[in-house]
Amino acid sequence: DTAVSQTPKYLVTQMGNDKSIKCEQNLGHDTMYWYKQDSKKFLKIMFSYNNKELIINETVPNRFSPKSPDKAHLNLHINSLELGDSAVYFCASSQRTGEYIQYFGAGTRLSVL
Amino acid sequence: SQQGEEDPQALSIQEGENATMNCSYKTSINNLQWYRQNSGRGLVHLILIRSNEREKHSGRLRVTLDTSKKSSSLLITASRAADTASYFCATGGNTPLVFGKGTRLSVIA
Repeated sequence: DTAVSQTPKYLVTQMGNDKSIKCEQNLGHDTMYWYKQDSKKFLKIMFSYNNKELIINETVPNRFSPKSPDKAHLNLHINSLELGDSAVYFCASSQRTGEYIQYFGAGTRLSVL
Repeated sequence: SQQGEEDPQALSIQEGENATMNCSYKTSINNLQWYRQNSGRGLVHLILIRSNEREKHSGRLRVTLDTSKKSSSLLITASRAADTASYFCATGGNTPLVFGKGTRLSVIA
């Protein structure tokens, strides 16, 4: 059983399109995250949810909208995709918010053409 | 701003040698964690050291923490080709973890 699973693994799309990435965790954790990893491997937090409530919203364009239907799921919807959105997006979860160990999904490689 | 900074950015060693990576950070922490990322995969937690600990071991991994210098080191002993990966430190305080930029380790067989 995969602890944190995200789909799709690869996403290739044209500029201007809208796409979604889904994430699910079966660890019973309260907190979930979205990260963006650029080509230089820099891992930047985008959003964090705790029990379906948004607790971190870093400086991310409004085109990115997270949605958490329940605490086991955190989806990421991206509108009007731009070339600069190309990156690997990781979902992660932790038992609670704060300095707890995080468990990562395998990543979604987004390529915007 | 980014909390942890790993050093070196890249490291290449022969199989069997030891690999040492360093992490420096700026503010007070509750713990410091090290993660590994294999190519094309997500990060995997390796070891956590609390702010009141100075050294911790896990298998071939040894982590030290010096809170006075705000630095940590990760030592991998008797490295193997399978240790080839990027290694990230992450600092934990009252906010979620903040990750460094990573050290890319290449172990040559």
